Amino acid sequence: EPEVTQTPSHQVTQMGQEVILRCVPISNHLYFYWYRQILGQKVEFLVSFYNNEISEKSEIFDDQFSVERPDGSNFTLKIRSTKLEDSAMYFCASSELGPDTQYFGPGTRLTVL
Amino acid sequence: GEDVEQSLFLSVREGDSSVINCTYTDSSSTYLYWYKQEPGAGLQLLTYIFSNMDMKQDQRLTVLLNKKDKHLSLRIADTQTGDSAIYFCAKGGNAGNMLTFGGGTRLMVKP
Repeated sequence: EPEVTQTPSHQVTQMGQEVILRCVPISNHLYFYWYRQILGQKVEFLVSFYNNEISEKSEIFDDQFSVERPDGSNFTLKIRSTKLEDSAMYFCASSELGPDTQYFGPGTRLTVL
Repeated sequence: GEDVEQSLFLSVREGDSSVINCTYTDSSSTYLYWYKQEPGAGLQLLTYIFSNMDMKQDQRLTVLLNKKDKHLSLRIADTQTGDSAIYFCAKGGNAGNMLTFGGGTRLMVKP
């Protein structure tokens, strides 16, 4: 069964450093998403992406964040200058159509020291 | 904005039925989902229901939707120890695709 994959599973970085989290969505899906879950808190929407552009973003997704689909398979989330409060589990998801079931990857745990 | 709420914790005995509840504030038509998260793992889609339905059954899982009360429930029949996990309900957005999640219900199944 096709699945969303994410790398790395755990990333440790120093405050102020740039990180890139990588995702490979399900191959025939057209919509891609990033969510995050700070420890003990709700899963929060960050951004959705379709047709090579952001279709929706939350207040969390400020100028420090960017997304890219650099090739036909990868979808990345970049955090330019990490802050302590960026420590969270980051989930990538994809869906075949817009208002459609989203399938999630296993997550990348980001720890900012 | 949309708010989705769940109770924090549920404990049941193996073989009993579990009912996990969820309430939401926005009544716009959309999909509602149940996801399962096991320790250290990602979000596994369990089932979903569209808001024009009242009930959906999928093997041991039954989803009930009360649109009037904005209440969604997930019933797990014959609960097993392997069902121990955190269960999240999530609601699709008004016009966009973002999901709004509840805080999750930790289900503990005792042998």
